Amino acid sequence: GAGVSQSPSNKVTEKGKDVELRCDPISGHTALYWYRQRLGQGLEFLIYFQGNSAPDKSGLPSDRFSAERTGESVSTLTIQRTQQEDSAVYLCASSLAQNYGYTFGSGTRLTVV
Amino acid sequence: GENVEQHPSTLSVQEGDSAVIKCTYSDSASNYFPWYKQELGKRPQLIIDIRSNVGEKKDQRIAVTLNKTAKHFSLHITETQPEDSAVYFCAARLYGNKLVFGAGTILRVKS
Repeated sequence: GAGVSQSPSNKVTEKGKDVELRCDPISGHTALYWYRQRLGQGLEFLIYFQGNSAPDKSGLPSDRFSAERTGESVSTLTIQRTQQEDSAVYLCASSLAQNYGYTFGSGTRLTVV
Repeated sequence: GENVEQHPSTLSVQEGDSAVIKCTYSDSASNYFPWYKQELGKRPQLIIDIRSNVGEKKDQRIAVTLNKTAKHFSLHITETQPEDSAVYFCAARLYGNKLVFGAGTILRVKS
């Protein structure tokens, strides 16, 4: 596609429920990243996929967070048993390869009530 | 791990003046330093970047300088305009292509 597509754009969920966020990267981009941005704050690294290599999960804040990506296509970020502190905008980005800048999606705004 | 410090956290300038935002990084192995602009409610967008084999890069009113010895890099915006008002993030790349971001600078250009 023309850009990085994320869905849903907004998600309101009850505390304790599971949520799944989707990212569709730019076609041909081998690298995909998830970041979290709390209101008024910076971008916090979560996880990074590069081709078929093992993902870098070093930024995942707890075992309630997981992500998958099949090949160089769509990625899903799953948050289990959501907590209020999970409320944030979850941004996905992709890049052509390891030495190129990121293109960000519009994000999913998650609100846990 | 890598740490990126960004200053100032907020910056107000008069239209037409220059704005400078500074970042320092901790990992001397970092070799790629992009800057992103994020308008309210929108996605971050890459505005300029610099690699470690270059000391300065310019694109119209925007320039970035890099001092590898001191491990700091700066964004310079000249002749600021109201549409430059946004949050600006610096970043440094670690191994692979993972970027570590600064905390951001809110730039307000007063007309």
